[in-house]
Amino acid sequence: DQQVKQNSPSLSVQEGRISILNCDYTNSMFDYFLWYKKYPAEGPTFLISISSIKDKNEDGRFTVFLNKSAKHLSLHIVPSQPGDSAVYFCAASVTQGAQKLVFGQGTRLTINP
Amino acid sequence: GAGVSQSPRYKVAKRGQDVALRCDPISGHVSLFWYQQALGQGPEFLTYFQNEAQLDKSGLPSDRFFAERPEGSVSTLKIQRTQQEDSAVYLCASSLAGGGNTGELFFGEGSRLTVL
Repeated sequence: DQQVKQNSPSLSVQEGRISILNCDYTNSMFDYFLWYKKYPAEGPTFLISISSIKDKNEDGRFTVFLNKSAKHLSLHIVPSQPGDSAVYFCAASVTQGAQKLVFGQGTRLTINP
Repeated sequence: GAGVSQSPRYKVAKRGQDVALRCDPISGHVSLFWYQQALGQGPEFLTYFQNEAQLDKSGLPSDRFFAERPEGSVSTLKIQRTQQEDSAVYLCASSLAGGGNTGELFFGEGSRLTVL
């Protein structure tokens, strides 16, 4: 069973506009959520995280929103830049620092000039 | 180097062969993880070490998979009698003990295994 789901395999956005990537989870025990970004032939790199005690975390152009009742989180990138083109993975864990991350399938984001 | 280093980057094996994949974590990182990423999927947890102790191996798909980290630094993932379904990218990640404030894992570039 897929405990973390990213239902959009791909997303295309115009440069300068907002990119919104979505993620749903089923395990109510998850209390820490992360987004990783992956370029081709490279390993995933950490982007931003959020604890379940918060509903929003912001870091520059990146904001993650968490809706615990809906078991849904989203990553907003604004404004989108060509360098943001990559595969984005949502991940979840039980307890911050536990690090046994459960990943979604990924969403390929393409930013068009 | 400053990052997690994995070797070989690419490995082609004939079905039934044994393979060994190496991971050099970031110096000083206590925790080390192996993940398996099949084509078009997200990484899936295989096993976790804290120093030399293997604390969780619940993700290893079969007893053909074995991981070790004898001196608490370099780790090796060994796959015996490889099967076609073992074809994947094997990612190694390391982190400070407890992952710091963000639980951040630092991933290597991965070892892509193709079993013919």
